Parts: sequence; C-alpha cells; structure tokens
Amino acid sequence: AQTVTQSQPEMSVQEAETVTLSCTYDTSENNYYLFWYKQPPSRQMILVIRQEAYKQQNATENRFSVNFQKAAKSFSLKISDSQLGDTAMYFCAQTSGSRLTFGEGTQLTVNP
Amino acid sequence: GAGVSQSPRYKVAKRGQDVALRCDPISGHVSLFWYQQALGQGPEFLTYFQNEAQLDKSGLPSDRFFAERPEGSVSTLKIQRTQQEDSAVYLCASSLGTFQETQYFGPGTRLLVL
Repeated sequence: AQTVTQSQPEMSVQEAETVTLSCTYDTSENNYYLFWYKQPPSRQMILVIRQEAYKQQNATENRFSVNFQKAAKSFSLKISDSQLGDTAMYFCAQTSGSRLTFGEGTQLTVNP
Repeated sequence: GAGVSQSPRYKVAKRGQDVALRCDPISGHVSLFWYQQALGQGPEFLTYFQNEAQLDKSGLPSDRFFAERPEGSVSTLKIQRTQQEDSAVYLCASSLGTFQETQYFGPGTRLLVL
C-alpha cells in the first residue's frame, strides 16, 4: 500500500521569508502524480501545485515550487515570500490508481 | 465556472439516525470521489465513481455506508444507524478525466454524531 509521510506537524515562518515543507512517499508504481494541497480554516481543500513523476523538471507556480527527488521518494514544497494568507494546513498527496493518498498534514503559520 | 458544492455544510445527528450527504461535482467531470477526514488528520479515501459506475468502494468502513451517483452527476453518501465514530468531515472531489487527474474538492460536510 502507498504511504505518504509528512514529518513536520507544525511549522512557522515570518512574513516575506521562505519556508520548506517536507514530504516522503512510498510507492511501487512507475507512473504517478504528486500534489500539494492547502486547507485553510474554512476547510476548502485547494490545489497548490502538481508534479508528474515522469517529468524531471520541478514544478513551479508563482511563489510555490517543489523539489522532487524521485529516487529518494521525496517531494518538498518551498514557499517564497510567505504571506499571511498562506497560513493553513498543507497536505502532500500521491495518486494511487485513481484515488489520492494523503499525508497527515503540516500546519503552517505565517507570522506578521 | 462553479466549483464542487456540498450540502449540508453541517449536520448534527443523534446516534442511530440515518444521514444523507450530497455532492454536486463540477459540470462535465467524469470522476467523483468521497473522502473522510477525521479531526487533525489527512483525508482518507472512501469510494470512487466514474460516471454512474461505482468502480471502487474499498474505503467504505462498514456496510452502514452507501454511496450512489445514479445519473453520473450528483452523488449522495448515506450513512445508516450513525455512530459516534462516524463524526468527521466528509469531502467530495471531482476530476475531469478518469485516471490520475487533478481532483477539485468541495467545502465538505462536517458531521457530528451525538
């Protein structure tokens, strides 16, 4: 069975600084996708960024970028120029067939 | 266009009652998923539909849980004889295609069983 591990239950960062959230996963599949989702207190799960496992180039979306290390099965999220609105729970997820397997989440707090 | 919507947003049930949770996916999305999210944890898969066909229900925790999507659009998750351990947020997600596509989530239904 696929597993996704987020080893940092909580993190904090000062506004405008950079923070990196860690994620490791375990899969025997060759073709899969990895995601970071953000869940603010309103509980709406919002897609942050997506990475196809067959692509070597790391995905980037504005202030959000990933460091995808396929051999190490590592998929970290870097948030640059952190903003107060980035405060949320962040979940790493991996496709397992059609379903998603999620990690336990990292609560990120951006301090003014 | 409109995103995934769910109703009700909050539901309080007495233990033993039946509840029905509704999901309206994004128009035209083929795939629909239900997840259960306990407090402080990541979502866990319950079931998956491709159009009206329920292709995977391996995550349903017991036979008290039943889901349907009769016309390939709106889906209902029904929980019979609710128990306190059913208290959680139930998330619905939809995706355009059928395999490893990005899933878009609704706001969830928070169920509290007393």
